[in-house]
Amino acid sequence: DGGITQSPKYLFRKEGQNVTLSCEQNLNHDAMYWYRQDPGQGLRLIYYSQIVNDFQKGDIAEGYSVSREKKESFPLTVTSAQKNPTAFYLCASSIGPTLGETQYFGPGTRLLVL
Amino acid sequence: KQEVTQIPAALSVPEGENLVLNCSFTDSAIYNLQWFRQDPGKGLTSLLLIQSSQREQTSGRLNASLDKSSGRSTLYIAASQPGDSATYLCAVKETSGSRLTFGEGTQLTVNP
Repeated sequence: DGGITQSPKYLFRKEGQNVTLSCEQNLNHDAMYWYRQDPGQGLRLIYYSQIVNDFQKGDIAEGYSVSREKKESFPLTVTSAQKNPTAFYLCASSIGPTLGETQYFGPGTRLLVL
Repeated sequence: KQEVTQIPAALSVPEGENLVLNCSFTDSAIYNLQWFRQDPGKGLTSLLLIQSSQREQTSGRLNASLDKSSGRSTLYIAASQPGDSATYLCAVKETSGSRLTFGEGTQLTVNP
């Protein structure tokens, strides 16, 4: 089955720790995205990548980092600089960066601070 | 900067009722608008996508309309069922760039 997988489902972060959220897709999509969702709010864009080895900051990139070394993988690292990391993180992909294409979403990772 | 607003934030209806969810956006220069469904603790599922040149899209009991000039879209759900209970989000894609701007969502509860 084609789709987007995110792991882990739940992640706990200690003070000062960096943690990495995994996102993998087997849809052969060029573009991938990371969003953050807080309770009662819409999704906010953290980073996006339109092609391998290239990525751009979204609206709330501070305290986060990404890499795009492979087409199918777009991991997100939440660094210690992110002071309020507790949220639901969603990864998405689309066929390409051109306009009008639907984004497909993974099941999400919930990050909690210990 | 594009802003997307959804009203109401929460809605509770009895089973069988027809209902309308509203979405408004501040910049009418959009390329398309999309409605998503999100179940608790899950990712988003695309329901309907309306291109800027279209007025509406239909899928089963769902009908989405778009009025670009007034910056509004509605999602109409006919004969609601308990299984329709979820949060519904709208998102607009702007003419330039590839990002989506999301509303805060409407949390729908359909009571048996």
